[in-house]
Amino acid sequence: EDQVTQSPEALRLQEGESSSLNCSYTVSGLRGLFWYRQDPGKGPEFLFTLYSAGEEKEKERLKATLTKKESFLHITAPKPEDSATYLCAVQGADGQNFVFGPGTRLSVLP
Amino acid sequence: SAVISQKPSRDICQRGTSLTIQCQVDSQVTMMFWYRQQPGQSLTLIATANQGSEATYESGFVIDKFPISRPNLTFSTLTVSNMSPEDSSIYLCSVTPRLAEETQYFGPGTRLLVL
Repeated sequence: EDQVTQSPEALRLQEGESSSLNCSYTVSGLRGLFWYRQDPGKGPEFLFTLYSAGEEKEKERLKATLTKKESFLHITAPKPEDSATYLCAVQGADGQNFVFGPGTRLSVLP
Repeated sequence: SAVISQKPSRDICQRGTSLTIQCQVDSQVTMMFWYRQQPGQSLTLIATANQGSEATYESGFVIDKFPISRPNLTFSTLTVSNMSPEDSSIYLCSVTPRLAEETQYFGPGTRLLVL
């Protein structure tokens, strides 16, 4: 059974304090790993798709990386507007369904 | 990506009633999905809405409780039937625009409170 865990559960950073969020997964053949941002009361906003180990993608202050067992979302010099819950999901080779992790709740203080 | 809208955005309902949630996409999409997100929790897939055929439900979800329609490639509905307070959640529609792309894009969600 495909599984996704995320750590930490919650993270508080000062503005400008860089850090990383972790997504660990167990899947039978990875078709894709997906990062989303979710603001309170809204639907998840797509950030990145990663397909194979060693792949990296960047968008503004965010950089996602992928290994065979985990993915990291690196946040460089975060700003208060980066505060949100960050969700990780995987899609296994046996189907189209996504399995979501529990999320990391990020707070960036000014 | 695709622009996805959901109606209603939120509702407060009485126990025992039913609510139908609509999901509209601005372009034809291959796959449409319905998720539930209970307070403080992550997303759980309810079903895949199949165009022209019955929806495919995940374990723990049944058609009698969550009937789904998908009459065309841009529209789907999810009905939450005979509601109880445990059905209070955010219900989210998502789409995969093209067969060659696995990424799912989400609508804004419908926030449901059952009294």
